[in-house]
Amino acid sequence: GENVEQHPSTLSVQEGDSAVIKCTYSDSASNYFPWYKQELGKRPQLIIDIRSNVGEKKDQRIAVTLNKTAKHFSLHITETQPEDSAVYFCAAWAGTALIFGKGTTLSVSS
Amino acid sequence: GAGVSQSPSNKVTEKGKDVELRCDPISGHTALYWYRQSLGQGLEFLIYFQGNSAPDKSGLPSDRFSAERTGGSVSTLTIQRTQQEDSAVYLCASSPAEVNEQFFGPGTRLTVL
Repeated sequence: GENVEQHPSTLSVQEGDSAVIKCTYSDSASNYFPWYKQELGKRPQLIIDIRSNVGEKKDQRIAVTLNKTAKHFSLHITETQPEDSAVYFCAAWAGTALIFGKGTTLSVSS
Repeated sequence: GAGVSQSPSNKVTEKGKDVELRCDPISGHTALYWYRQSLGQGLEFLIYFQGNSAPDKSGLPSDRFSAERTGGSVSTLTIQRTQQEDSAVYLCASSPAEVNEQFFGPGTRLTVL
């Protein structure tokens, strides 16, 4: 079955710096890759997603890149702000369900 | 509009008791998912319902876990003979289509003493 690895598990940056989180997946048939943000005590919320027919997608300060050949995808956050502090989860669609990575705790200090 | 709702928000039970967790998806969403999130861990897929099709139960950790979805809407996750390792946050999500954004509920925090 699908397996998703996510790195790093924790990431600390200064406000204004960029943050990059990377994920790899195992099933070459996976075709949908969302990223969720979960603030402390809150539910996960989608922040951006990408389908396998494109290589990059941007939404303001957030971008996701996908390399189907290497089976990895990355989340890029530019000009980080304290409110970006949260746990970020990547996921890959495995045919009937999303398989999630174990999450990255991002801390942005001002 | 109303989002996904779950009840109860918190449940404390004794080892060996049965529990039922409820999920009300967004109206019109055909896909419904249950996940489990243990402390500091990612989201573990449990079960998936899509319309009137047979559910995908491949993520259920043991036969003590079961779920049903009545009338294509409300879903109930049942855990029989609870164990301490069942303690976690149980999240429900719904989606308007199979491969699409999933909208999560607030979760039920289950504590098994």
